Amino acid sequence: AQTVTQSQPEMSVQEAETVTLSCTYDTSESNYYLFWYKQPPSRQMILVIRQEAYKQQNATENRFSVNFQKAAKSFSLKISDSQLGDTAMYFCAFRLTNDMRFGAGTRLTVKP
Amino acid sequence: GAVVSQHPSWVICKSGTSVKIECRSLDFQATTMFWYRQFPKQSLMLMATSNEGSKATYEQGVEKDKFLINHASLTLSTLTVTSAHPEDSSFYICSASRPDTIYFGEGSWLTVV
Repeated sequence: AQTVTQSQPEMSVQEAETVTLSCTYDTSESNYYLFWYKQPPSRQMILVIRQEAYKQQNATENRFSVNFQKAAKSFSLKISDSQLGDTAMYFCAFRLTNDMRFGAGTRLTVKP
Repeated sequence: GAVVSQHPSWVICKSGTSVKIECRSLDFQATTMFWYRQFPKQSLMLMATSNEGSKATYEQGVEKDKFLINHASLTLSTLTVTSAHPEDSSFYICSASRPDTIYFGEGSWLTVV
């Protein structure tokens, strides 16, 4: 079975600074998707960014970008110009067609 | 707007009764839906994968007779917690799969008293 590891239970960053959240995964598959989701206190799961494994180019979405290292099975999330609204739990997720697993999560606090 | 609707958002039931949670994909047909359980301050734990027209695939340790999952149509999957007990109290969340991404419902808080 696939596993996803987030080794940073909690992180904090000053407003307007940059922070990187780590994620590693383990799989024997070659085609898959990777995601970062944000979960605010409302518990709604909000898609932050998505990466297809067959694409070498790192995905970017405005202030959010990833560093996808397929050989190392690493998928880190970089948040630039952090905002107070970025405070939330962040989950890394790995997806196959009929399987989707989440890491344990990283609680990010953006400090004013 | 939401593309996956989950209902009810909150439900309180008596111990020993059953409760059903619905997950609907609003804008698309979802051949696969996932059901998760989330304990406080923890991650989403995959309970089962629901495929339209076939039996759900349950994760190890999840009682299929207690957590009944039905995916009768391409837009609806249901989770029924049978003979609920207080330890079943939790946050349950579903997601519906498209080829390129996955959308989540708003989640359902279940409290068994």
